[in-house]
Amino acid sequence: AQRVTQPEKLLSVFKGAPVELKCNYSYSGSPELFWYVQYSRQRLQLLLRHISRESIKGFTADLNKGETSFHLKKPFAQEEDSAMYYCALGRGGADGLTFGKGTHLIIQP
Amino acid sequence: EPEVTQTPSHQVTQMGQEVILRCVPISNHLYFYWYRQILGQKVEFLVSFYNNEISEKSEIFDDQFSVERPDGSNFTLKIRSTKLEDSAMYFCASRGVSRYEQYFGPGTRLTVT
Repeated sequence: AQRVTQPEKLLSVFKGAPVELKCNYSYSGSPELFWYVQYSRQRLQLLLRHISRESIKGFTADLNKGETSFHLKKPFAQEEDSAMYYCALGRGGADGLTFGKGTHLIIQP
Repeated sequence: EPEVTQTPSHQVTQMGQEVILRCVPISNHLYFYWYRQILGQKVEFLVSFYNNEISEKSEIFDDQFSVERPDGSNFTLKIRSTKLEDSAMYFCASRGVSRYEQYFGPGTRLTVT
């Protein structure tokens, strides 16, 4: 069975500092990986998907199949980045996503 | 930009009662999903629906749960006889054919007393 691990429940950094939110996965097939963000009292929003290799709001994430990781990075954190971040794994087709437990990111001024 | 919508935003019900949670997916999407999140826990997959039938369901999705697409726009989740442990946030999501990402609704908070 597939599994997604986000080891940090809470991550607090100062504004302007680099941020790295860790995500490791376990899946025997070829995964689709996503980062979703949930700002206070709002819906889950797609932030990044690994197949697009894009940068959104300054965030990037690279799929490392050797380390089975999909860590989310941003070189300079901003206060508006404070939110819950969820890493999710998909298996394609109609299958549901498997989520990690989420990391609460707090950016201190 | 089109969004997934869900009603109601909050539902309070007594144990043993039936509830129906409603979702309107994005109009040209063909894959539909329900997830739940118990307070303090992770988002868990319940069921996926495609081509008017269930594609996949998790262990959570037992005989007390059912889904339906009664018309061209709504997608519903019914819980026949609610239990205290059904209290959670329920999210609907939809996905298009050519893109892999799922788009989520704002959720319905279900409280079973």
